[in-house]
Amino acid sequence: AQSVSQHNHHVILSEAASLELGCNYSYGGTVNLFWYVQYPGQHLQLLLKYFSGDPLVKGIKGFEAEFIKSKFSFNLRKPSVQWSDTAEYFCAVNANDYKLSFGAGTTVTVRA
Amino acid sequence: GAVVSQHPSRVICKSGTSVKIECRSLDFQATTMFWYRQFPKQSLMLMATSNEGSKATYEQGVEKDKFLINHASLTLSTLTVTSAHPEDSSFYICSARDPTSGRAFFGPGTRLTVT
Repeated sequence: AQSVSQHNHHVILSEAASLELGCNYSYGGTVNLFWYVQYPGQHLQLLLKYFSGDPLVKGIKGFEAEFIKSKFSFNLRKPSVQWSDTAEYFCAVNANDYKLSFGAGTTVTVRA
Repeated sequence: GAVVSQHPSRVICKSGTSVKIECRSLDFQATTMFWYRQFPKQSLMLMATSNEGSKATYEQGVEKDKFLINHASLTLSTLTVTSAHPEDSSFYICSARDPTSGRAFFGPGTRLTVT
């Protein structure tokens, strides 16, 4: 069964700092990769997704992620965070059975 | 860590019948649960927000009379797909927020196939 690992449980940083959240998956075949964000009290929103093509994917709100197939990774980055980026971030993967598998999530706290 | 379960994990039903899917938070009380639908190899689509003790809030385009949501207790929300049709075949995923930690947890999903 495929699994998704997010390395950081909780990240705390200051405004304007750079953010990188790690995500690794275990499935060896063709995968579709997603990053979602959930702001306090709200539902999940899609930040970005990778299906094929350019492994560097740009999403909304200045986020980007890079798919490195050899490392089974899909790390999320943002060069300069804002207080409004405080949220929980989920990496998700689906493969042949199309069911999404989620990582445990990373809580990001941005201090003003 | 906190766990959210869904039952059943997989269900096959005939067109025209109704199917109930349960979402339970196992070790925390969730005043709010979310129901999502996932089409093959696509992103999640929020269907509705389930609030304990009150009516669910449905997203635009989601038929509230077709997808009945009941959140009767702080640990259980149910989604009933009424008069199911083949186009309702999909994965249905719920999530619940642990108010103590503020973290969200996802159920494993229910695969519905309508024949």
